[in-house]
Amino acid sequence: DAMVIQNPRYQVTQFGKPVTLSCSQTLNHNVMYWYQQKSSQAPKLLFHYYDKDFNNEADTPDNFQSRRPNTSFCFLDIRSPGLGDAAMYLCATSRDNPGRADTQYFGPGTRLTVL
Amino acid sequence: GIQVEQSPPDLILQEGANSTLRCNFSDSVNNLQWFHQNPWGQLINLFYIPSGTKQNGRLSATTVATERYSLLYISSSQTTDSGVYFCAVENTGGFKTIFGAGTRLFVKA
Repeated sequence: DAMVIQNPRYQVTQFGKPVTLSCSQTLNHNVMYWYQQKSSQAPKLLFHYYDKDFNNEADTPDNFQSRRPNTSFCFLDIRSPGLGDAAMYLCATSRDNPGRADTQYFGPGTRLTVL
Repeated sequence: GIQVEQSPPDLILQEGANSTLRCNFSDSVNNLQWFHQNPWGQLINLFYIPSGTKQNGRLSATTVATERYSLLYISSSQTTDSGVYFCAVENTGGFKTIFGAGTRLFVKA
């Protein structure tokens, strides 16, 4: 039944050590999103894919990269994690409605700890 | 960019009470969604409501796009309604979703 799956649920990394978070979906949605949510704050959009078209938010640091090898999978790469990157990372998907997003479905999130 | 303001920031209810949560946004939007984030962090979509009124059980929502606000009504609240309620809008450029700061709800038994 799981529709948007994120692995791992908890990730611990060391300061400066690259880390990759993964997201997969069984909904066949063409839009996928990555959000960062820090403690007691709202989710903040980092970037989204419309099919293979990558769309970066202007204020997303260069330290954050993403890959979408196919419709089902999307990865978030943090090249050199800093203490300030500790957060919950949320993946979401939606259909195109068209030219606008339809209902967004979220995965359970990956909680990243940076030591 | 679009500003999204939610009120109240915090709300404590006795089980069985009703409540209204408000979301104001500063510019025209493509769509508006209401989400509930449970204590484990899972975001659940409650309503996709760019305009009009929808109902789902004890919950209903109304968006008046011309006046740039949306309301979420919770009736006969239950302890399982506790969590954070977010309003999120998509800008007219498409696919950029902006969340409000949320309303933190606690329902007491």
